[in-house]
Amino acid sequence: KNQVEQSPQSLIILEGKNCTLQCNYTVSPFSNLRWYKQDTGRGPVSLTIMTFSENTKSNGRYTATLDADTKQSSLHITASQLSDSASYICVVSLLYNFNKFYFGSGTKLNVKP
Amino acid sequence: ETGVTQTPRHLVMGMTNKKSLKCEQHLGHNAMYWYKQSAKKPLELMFVYNFKEQTENNSVPSRFSPECPNSSHLFLHLHTLQPEDSALYLCASSREQGTYEQYFGPGTRLTVT
Repeated sequence: KNQVEQSPQSLIILEGKNCTLQCNYTVSPFSNLRWYKQDTGRGPVSLTIMTFSENTKSNGRYTATLDADTKQSSLHITASQLSDSASYICVVSLLYNFNKFYFGSGTKLNVKP
Repeated sequence: ETGVTQTPRHLVMGMTNKKSLKCEQHLGHNAMYWYKQSAKKPLELMFVYNFKEQTENNSVPSRFSPECPNSSHLFLHLHTLQPEDSALYLCASSREQGTYEQYFGPGTRLTVT
């Protein structure tokens, strides 16, 4: 069964600290994996998109990694800021079907001063 | 913002009402999407339009009826909804369907009474 599992469900860190969010998937055949940031009450914003041949991609203080062999991805946030408080969603797409997306339940990050 | 606007931002409707949600994108994209986000559940893709043609209907009940008159506008017509349809409805657009970054609107918060 195609699934996407994210951990932890929620996380509290102090401003300035680093953190890593995890995404494990069983989706096959794999096309790409996306990370989104969603602030409360707003639409998601794309952070990274990675295909099977990419194993790391950065967007400012956000760095995503992908291990297509173990079907795992992580999102590392460096030097966290209060504005990083949001939900982070992992989405995996099927190969050969543009519109088949599998969504994780998200990790809710709270950055405290 | 993201270049994708949605109206209204909030909507309360009775189960016998008919209403419509509107989405407009100013990005020159050719693909548009409707998503449903319920509390404590992952995002769910509802419909996809690519170059004004519907390419995905993710087993959505017929009380939800999409319309895409051109590549810049997308509507979701609602009628005889149920309380469980209360959710945040998000619109997104991308250059085309496939491995392209999606840009989301702020969403319409729908409450069915």
